Amino acid sequence: AQSVAQPEDQVNVAEGNPLTVKCTYSVSGNPYLFWYVQYPNRGLQFLLKYITGDNLVKGSYGFEAEFNKSQTSFHLKKPSALVSDSALYFCAVILGMGSSYKLIFGSGTRLLVRP
Amino acid sequence: EAGVTQFPSHSVIEKGQTVTLRCDPISGHDNLYWYRRVMGKEIKFLLHFVKESKQDESGMPNNRFLAERTGGTYSTLKVQPAELEDSGVYFCASSPGGGELFFGEGSRLTVL
Repeated sequence: AQSVAQPEDQVNVAEGNPLTVKCTYSVSGNPYLFWYVQYPNRGLQFLLKYITGDNLVKGSYGFEAEFNKSQTSFHLKKPSALVSDSALYFCAVILGMGSSYKLIFGSGTRLLVRP
Repeated sequence: EAGVTQFPSHSVIEKGQTVTLRCDPISGHDNLYWYRRVMGKEIKFLLHFVKESKQDESGMPNNRFLAERTGGTYSTLKVQPAELEDSGVYFCASSPGGGELFFGEGSRLTVL
């Protein structure tokens, strides 16, 4: 089955340190990959996406993600974490094409950045 | 430009009652999606409208759930009768096409 996996329920990091939130995918064909973030009591916000091109994708709030085809991964990274980055992060992949497509999400990873 | 709006933000009902959730997509977005997140698990796809037509309803859990999008504008998701396991956060999203989905803030449903 086509899916995305986020192996960590929670990631803890100190402010100022680099952070990585892991995502692996299992899809046929070329994957279209996304990261979304959910802050407390808010909806899902788009962070970044990989469609094609450079494997390193830059997104909002200083986040970036690296597409690695050989490892089927799309890990989210940030060089220096902020306390305000504490939130729930979801990796997602597009399934389908044309007019019939949908996002399939991973289980989410809670990021906790301590001061 | 207004984003995706959902109403109500939180609904508390008793088992067996009916609840209707509403979603207003971004104006001009033909694609409208419903998702839900139950008990801290993954966000699961429910269905996809293209304009007023149901493009994919493979994620609808059972016939207690009914989604409509009359006129291709706003959408409603009715749960009748509600069961305890229906509790969760229901997200609506819209898209003009091309992949990125724009999400509302969700409607939290609590069934007692």
